[in-house]
Amino acid sequence: QKEVEQNSGPLSVPEGAIASLNCTYSDRGSQSFFWYRQYSGKSPELIMFIYSNGDKEDGRFTAQLNKASQYVSLLIRDSQPSDSATYLCAVESGYSTLTFGKGTMLLVSP
Amino acid sequence: GAVVSQHPSRVICKSGTSVKIECRSLDFQATTMFWYRQFPKQSLMLMATSNEGSKATYEQGVEKDKFLINHASLTLSTLTVTSAHPEDSSFYICSAEGQGRSQPQHFGDGTRLSIL
Repeated sequence: QKEVEQNSGPLSVPEGAIASLNCTYSDRGSQSFFWYRQYSGKSPELIMFIYSNGDKEDGRFTAQLNKASQYVSLLIRDSQPSDSATYLCAVESGYSTLTFGKGTMLLVSP
Repeated sequence: GAVVSQHPSRVICKSGTSVKIECRSLDFQATTMFWYRQFPKQSLMLMATSNEGSKATYEQGVEKDKFLINHASLTLSTLTVTSAHPEDSSFYICSAEGQGRSQPQHFGDGTRLSIL
């Protein structure tokens, strides 16, 4: 059973702080990793994807991947109240199918 | 960027009704589309993978005869919930994979289905 684990939260951070979201996965053969943001009642929105070990930066977002530790994270710098949402980690588990974690709720307070 | 359109956004209907949900890739061709279901406070659960021109691949526990999937063209996949019952009430979301190797999935806006 391929699993993707996330802390459900909520993770509360003040506006302007760095939010750190973490995810672990069980399938050592996974090659592609994705972070989606989901607002309440809405469908997921792609934030970032990463395929190689190390860091990948896009604006205020940085994805970090460590395949040896089977760990992927998302850092959000200068957090804004509009970043408050549930963040879903997804791992490609073969033939383009994604396995999603249950998501971490992020609350950014003004 | 890749845009996926899903329609309708909300359906409320009586038990026993069949409901069809459409998923379209607007600016790219999608040979593969995916159908997910999400219950409140839960994560997305893959129901089936829809392949253009061939039969869909269903995940374990998903009834093929209840959730009919058709992917007749490179831009359209449909999910029909047949003889829907209250326990089928959920948020149904489709996604399409972008063109090229290991491209991310882009999601439609979802369909909230409520069966009375």
